[in-house]
Amino acid sequence: KAGVTQTPRYLIKTRGQQVTLSCSPISGHRSVSWYQQTPGQGLQFLFEYFSETQRNKGNFPGRFSGRQFSNSRSEMNVSTLELGDSALYLCASSFRTPWDTQYFGPGTRLTVL
Amino acid sequence: DQQVKQNSPSLSVQEGRISILNCDYTNSMFDYFLWYKKYPAEGPTFLISISSIKDKNEDGRFTVFLNKSAKHLSLHIVPSQPGDSAVYFCAAMTYSGAGSYQLTFGKGTKLSVIP
Repeated sequence: KAGVTQTPRYLIKTRGQQVTLSCSPISGHRSVSWYQQTPGQGLQFLFEYFSETQRNKGNFPGRFSGRQFSNSRSEMNVSTLELGDSALYLCASSFRTPWDTQYFGPGTRLTVL
Repeated sequence: DQQVKQNSPSLSVQEGRISILNCDYTNSMFDYFLWYKKYPAEGPTFLISISSIKDKNEDGRFTVFLNKSAKHLSLHIVPSQPGDSAVYFCAAMTYSGAGSYQLTFGKGTKLSVIP
């Protein structure tokens, strides 16, 4: 069974730009969650999508948004990038709920200059 | 305010011995606790979880203990192996029903198992 894939793996942007990251979950998984990992804050939950609907949201500003498509693939968008948005963005999929076993992708490393 | 704390940023253990990773939390409303392991350049891997109504869950070499009165959980790895060397994250979840929840992570503990 193919794992969770994330594209691109690395990205460099400048302040003020926007970025879109993509996540393809494991086949059959309907829950997709996004996380931000930074050295200072550790791993933080961004949001979770289930059946094309945002079901849960962490404490991030509205510049962070996402969506899920009918095939469960998900995208995350960050608008008006700030230096502090530099992080590893991780996507995880699970069958139905996050406490079903979650499988993480390798992440997208975003650097904002 | 950090609701989930892993106070030891790193831990070194001899191969074959027990590794004990600790996690403290402040929110008594957490319903579920999870441990993840992360190798460099890879995404985290789910290890083991425990419901707040239990005090122990075991899966092979991994056992998680929950002490609700102390708001403390620990992950025991016995025996420790060099392949266990990774960063371990503790996470806690509050569940509001109908699929609604909040998930909070600790900052991780880097475990080094010395051969």
